[in-house]
Amino acid sequence: AQTVTQSQPEMSVQEAETVTLSCTYDTSESDYYLFWYKQPPSRQMILVIRQEAYKQQNATENRFSVNFQKAAKSFSLKISDSQLGDAAMYFCAYRDNTDKLIFGTGTRLQVFP
Amino acid sequence: NAGVTQTPKFRILKIGQSMTLQCTQDMNHNYMYWYRQDPGMGLKLIYYSVGAGITDKGEVPNGYNVSRSTTEDFPLRLELAAPSQTSVYFCASSRRRQGPSGNTIYFGEGSWLTVV
Repeated sequence: AQTVTQSQPEMSVQEAETVTLSCTYDTSESDYYLFWYKQPPSRQMILVIRQEAYKQQNATENRFSVNFQKAAKSFSLKISDSQLGDAAMYFCAYRDNTDKLIFGTGTRLQVFP
Repeated sequence: NAGVTQTPKFRILKIGQSMTLQCTQDMNHNYMYWYRQDPGMGLKLIYYSVGAGITDKGEVPNGYNVSRSTTEDFPLRLELAAPSQTSVYFCASSRRRQGPSGNTIYFGEGSWLTVV
């Protein structure tokens, strides 16, 4: 079974600085999708960024970018120019070939002014 | 667009009671999911459905039942509620993952359930 591991329960960053959140996954599939979701205290699930495994180019969405290392099964999220509004739980997720979405345990990001 | 709508948003149940969490989507999505999120934890898949009439178990199905009689609706039934079922429940939906629009999974706002 596929698993998603987020080894950093908590991270902190100074406003305007850059932070990287780690995610690794285990799979035998070659075609899959990876996601980062943000969950603020309201518990709303907000899609931050997604990556198709067949694409070599790393996805970018404004201040958010990923470092996708397919051979290493690694999918880290980089947040540049961190803002106070970035403080939230961040979940890495994997969509398998049965279309189930499997989540990691999350990383709580604190942003200090 | 309403997207994915869950009801109720908040509910307190007594031990042993039963209830149904409703989920409906208006995007004609084939795939629908139910997740639970315990405090400080990630989302665990309870049940999912790939289309009307088809359901399958996820990681934590015990104590729950689902049905999918229409494309739009995917209710989650809790039988004999237990304190361990205190959680936030999320319904989600999507198309098949292939294709430009297949990667987006839409979540409802969550249903907060407390069993006392």
